[in-house]
Amino acid sequence: EPEVTQTPSHQVTQMGQEVILRCVPISNHLYFYWYRQILGQKVEFLVSFYNNEISEKSEIFDDQFSVERPDGSNFTLKIRSTKLEDSAMYFCASSPRDSNQPQHFGDGTRLSIL
Amino acid sequence: KQEVTQIPAALSVPEGENLVLNCSFTDSAIYNLQWFRQDPGKGLTSLLLIQSSQREQTSGRLNASLDKSSGRSTLYIAASQPGDSATYLCAVKEDSGGSNYKLTFGKGTLLTVNP
Repeated sequence: EPEVTQTPSHQVTQMGQEVILRCVPISNHLYFYWYRQILGQKVEFLVSFYNNEISEKSEIFDDQFSVERPDGSNFTLKIRSTKLEDSAMYFCASSPRDSNQPQHFGDGTRLSIL
Repeated sequence: KQEVTQIPAALSVPEGENLVLNCSFTDSAIYNLQWFRQDPGKGLTSLLLIQSSQREQTSGRLNASLDKSSGRSTLYIAASQPGDSATYLCAVKEDSGGSNYKLTFGKGTLLTVNP
């Protein structure tokens, strides 16, 4: 069964550094998402992406964050200048054309900011 | 603003027992509701999706129900097994009339099934 794949599985970065989290969504999916989960807290929506543009973003997704689909397969989340509070599990998800289809999640990238 | 609550926060049962996990949401204008399983340090595995027009969905030993008007869903697990031990998350996809397809999650129920 097709899967959403995320790399790396664990990223350790110094505060203030830029980090790029990578995702390969399922190939025929058209909607892409990033979520995050701070340890012990709920999974929170960050941003949705469709037709090569952001369709919605949460208040968490400030100017430090950006997303890109640089080619036909990858979907990236960039954090420009990381803060300690950015430490979390970041999940990528995708869903097909029909909005009533389930979202499929990757295994996540654990981001640790030192 | 949509809020999703799951109770109980944790549940420990002996193997073989049938159990029910509860999920409630504050805004009934939803597209669908999705139940996920999360193993420690892992991603989210989709278990069941119930459309807003449906009352229930079944997959194997799992049965999910939805009462949209009262803002509630339950996940029923029959004949529980130690391998069912995980955190179970409930998430709703809201119907805002636009391209808003984000999921709003509950905090989850940590299930432990003891052999």
